[in-house]
Amino acid sequence: DSGVTQTPKHLITATGQRVTLRCSPRSGDLSVYWYQQSLDQGLQFLIQYYNGEERAKGNILERFSAQQFPDLHSELNLSSLELGDSALYFCASSVAAGNSNEQFFGPGTRLTVL
Amino acid sequence: AQSVAQPEDQVNVAEGNPLTVKCTYSVSGNPYLFWYVQYPNRGLQFLLKYITGDNLVKGSYGFEAEFNKSQTSFHLKKPSALVSDSALYFCAVRDTGGFKTIFGAGTRLFVKA
Repeated sequence: DSGVTQTPKHLITATGQRVTLRCSPRSGDLSVYWYQQSLDQGLQFLIQYYNGEERAKGNILERFSAQQFPDLHSELNLSSLELGDSALYFCASSVAAGNSNEQFFGPGTRLTVL
Repeated sequence: AQSVAQPEDQVNVAEGNPLTVKCTYSVSGNPYLFWYVQYPNRGLQFLLKYITGDNLVKGSYGFEAEFNKSQTSFHLKKPSALVSDSALYFCAVRDTGGFKTIFGAGTRLFVKA
């Protein structure tokens, strides 16, 4: 158990809908990362937050947004969902935003868009 | 731009034999290099990292990796494979000047009893 929690574990929804994925980092970790894992694209970095501020952006679509709250939990919002958004979404956390820090991954949220 | 390549989709090895999972990288500056492992229906788990210093890095579960700057490689090794090592392995790289971590496509390791 990494100490990172993600809810829900599974999510099934329809095209055009909007969903929110939630992540609680390990105790003491200030940095949160979001990744998308799919069979065809592999593991793609979406976005990173550090202590409430956006720190780095990856291949995140404009239909997707995220935020990190004062209690350090983070939410990833996915809107106008398409079939291709079906994937496993991981949250990870690290102590700081520094490049040498390893990341601790949550168990993931499996999103299925029908 | 930084990138990482794992040239083998799959590696097969017999239990008790040494294993190697290959990784090469490209960054503009000095790299921070990581190995993670993913078991079925689980998140990624950190195995080891190279930041600076000794080129041979030791990590969890008996794994080690060798940093080779001239060949821009960071291969994962284990002297004696276990069936329980069967999993998906990811190499990752971070440029010391940036914040993004780039993951390789992953290599599936099968260890036969």
